[in-house]
Amino acid sequence: DQQVKQNSPSLSVQEGRISILNCDYTNSMFDYFLWYKKYPAEGPTFLISISSIKDKNEDGRFTVFLNKSAKHLSLHIVPSQPGDSAVYFCAVMKGRGNQFYFGTGTSLTVIP
Amino acid sequence: GAGVSQSPSNKVTEKGKDVELRCDPISGHTALYWYRQRLGQGLEFLIYFQGNSAPDKSGLPSDRFSAERTGESVSTLTIQRTQQEDSAVYLCASSLGGSRYEQFFGPGTRLTVL
Repeated sequence: DQQVKQNSPSLSVQEGRISILNCDYTNSMFDYFLWYKKYPAEGPTFLISISSIKDKNEDGRFTVFLNKSAKHLSLHIVPSQPGDSAVYFCAVMKGRGNQFYFGTGTSLTVIP
Repeated sequence: GAGVSQSPSNKVTEKGKDVELRCDPISGHTALYWYRQRLGQGLEFLIYFQGNSAPDKSGLPSDRFSAERTGESVSTLTIQRTQQEDSAVYLCASSLGGSRYEQFFGPGTRLTVL
């Protein structure tokens, strides 16, 4: 029973354009949401997060949007750069940080 | 500064053997997590340690899996009588705990069971 779904396994975007990665979750009790980036042969690295009391959080080129009514999370990268090419995982948390649920990842390719 | 380290980076073993995977978290991080990532799948939560509290073992897939943590330092994940379906990348992450949820991941151990 998958708590978090990333329905697009891959995405290709032209350099300079916007990349939009999507994530859907099932449980309205989740209260903290994170995005991680993963390069091959490395562990995931934290990118950006948002708590359930907000609907938007921005950090440079990265913005995370949370739509609680739709149970939907998205990551916008603008402008996209070739170095952004990686696998992006969304993760959700409920409660006091003891358990996180990760999506299956979306592989982003930014074409120069 | 030093990040999360894991050893070995790769492990090939025969079915039925026991393996031990090691994780050294970032110093001062009270929370430690183990995850498994099978080929083409997302990260699967295995176990969580927070300080001296009893660990959350709810993600361990069978009693062949166990993990220990010494205080707030190194952790070992042990898989007994390995099976081919145990083949995966095992990732360890640590965080400051409390309200600081961002996890810092190690590079993982790739386990292959022949």
